[in-house]
Amino acid sequence: GQQLNQSPQSMFIQEGEDVSMNCTSSSIFNTWLWYKQEPGEGPVLLIALYKAGELTSNGRLTAQFGITRKDSFLNISASIPSDVGIYFCAGRRRAGSYQLTFGKGTKLSVIP
Amino acid sequence: GAVVSQHPSWVICKSGTSVKIECRSLDFQATTMFWYRQFPKQSLMLMATSNEGSKATYEQGVEKDKFLINHASLTLSTLTVTSAHPEDSSFYICSAVDRTGANVLTFGAGSRLTVL
Repeated sequence: GQQLNQSPQSMFIQEGEDVSMNCTSSSIFNTWLWYKQEPGEGPVLLIALYKAGELTSNGRLTAQFGITRKDSFLNISASIPSDVGIYFCAGRRRAGSYQLTFGKGTKLSVIP
Repeated sequence: GAVVSQHPSWVICKSGTSVKIECRSLDFQATTMFWYRQFPKQSLMLMATSNEGSKATYEQGVEKDKFLINHASLTLSTLTVTSAHPEDSSFYICSAVDRTGANVLTFGAGSRLTVL
C-alpha cells in the first residue's frame, strides 16, 4: 500500500537538543497521528490531529496538522535518553475509518 | 485505557508448519481489528481488516489462503500463517478500536515470527 514520505530517516542528537521530523503526502488526509515504537513493541500513540492547522502538545512533544492536509510535523523539545525509538507518522483518509497509512519512520538516537 | 494483547510474543517454527497468532481486546469489545506486518527497519503495512462475524478484508497482494484470519468473538481475532516459509518471518502487529469508549486505535505489542 501507499506510504507517506517521512523524514529524516534517522537522527543522532545530543541530550537537551530539540528534534523535528515531518511527513508529507500527495494525498489529503482526514487525520494525522504520531506514534513511537520501541524495539519488540507495538506502536504507542503520542499525538492525534483532527483538523487542518491544528497544533497540539503532549508534554515536550508538539505536532501540527498542515493547512493543506497533506503534511504534518512533530517536534520534541529538550530531548532526553528515553526519547530513543522510532517515530512513525500515520494518516487516515476518511472519518470513521481506522485504516492507517504509515510513514517509514524516523529513528531517533539521543547521546547522553 | 484500552489494552490489546497479542500471543505469542515470539514464535519459532519449522518451514511448512502453520502458526496461529492471537489478538485480544482485554477490556473492550472490538468489532474491527487490523493486522499489520512489519519487516526489520521497515514501516507497518496493513495486511487485512478483521471483522467480527464476517470475512476479513485483505489488502492487495496479501494471500488470503496463506494468512487466515478468524474474528469469532468481539474480543478475539486470530491470524494463522499457513505452511510458513522463511520469507514469512516478520513482526506481526494487530490493532483494535474501542468504538464505545475513546474511539482510539490501540496496538498490540506484536508477535515476532521466525520460520526456520
